[in-house]
Amino acid sequence: AQSVTQLGSHVSVSEGALVLLRCNYSSSVPPYLFWYVQYPNQGLQLLLKYTTGATLVKGINGFEAEFKKSETSFHLTKPSAHMSDAAEYFCAVSAVSGGYQKVTFGIGTKLQVIP
Amino acid sequence: GAGVSQSPSNKVTEKGKDVELRCDPISGHTALYWYRQRLGQGLEFLIYFQGNSAPDKSGLPSDRFSAERTGESVSTLTIQRTQQEDSAVYLCASSYRASDTQYFGPGTRLTVL
Repeated sequence: AQSVTQLGSHVSVSEGALVLLRCNYSSSVPPYLFWYVQYPNQGLQLLLKYTTGATLVKGINGFEAEFKKSETSFHLTKPSAHMSDAAEYFCAVSAVSGGYQKVTFGIGTKLQVIP
Repeated sequence: GAGVSQSPSNKVTEKGKDVELRCDPISGHTALYWYRQRLGQGLEFLIYFQGNSAPDKSGLPSDRFSAERTGESVSTLTIQRTQQEDSAVYLCASSYRASDTQYFGPGTRLTVL
């Protein structure tokens, strides 16, 4: 079985400050890892993903995440928060299990950006 | 091409009624997922279709929930005898292959009175 843990259901940062959203996963097989963002009243959209290769992944809107196998983590960062970054962020893990490609989402982290 | 579309965008129904939600995936996408998102909670996996294979129904919460998909096209999620706890946003997503990025529709907000 696989799982995703997002630490902190709500995170507040000041505009211009570092954004750090934490994600830890468990998987018995090498996983694919994703971060999605959900703006109010909209569906989810992909920020970035890790499949294989380089462990530092760059996504849209200046976000990046680093896959650390030893720590089973895939934390999302952005050097300088912008007001438009206020949204809910979901970490997800995808791996084959029981013949199916299982995708498990974390509970989400709501990011508030304070002017 | 167009993204994933869902209809209706909003549905208000009375307890005990049946509802049918529709999802049109991106053309050519073989994998289709249904999720439920209750207020203030994360995404809850419901069901997954991959091509013509048997669907993964492991996430369906009860036998009141069912879903169909014809080939690699439209999918419908049916909830029979709706209950108030079924109130949620139902999200559909599709991907080219199962391990690829999922593209989400805008969701259907279901309210059961």
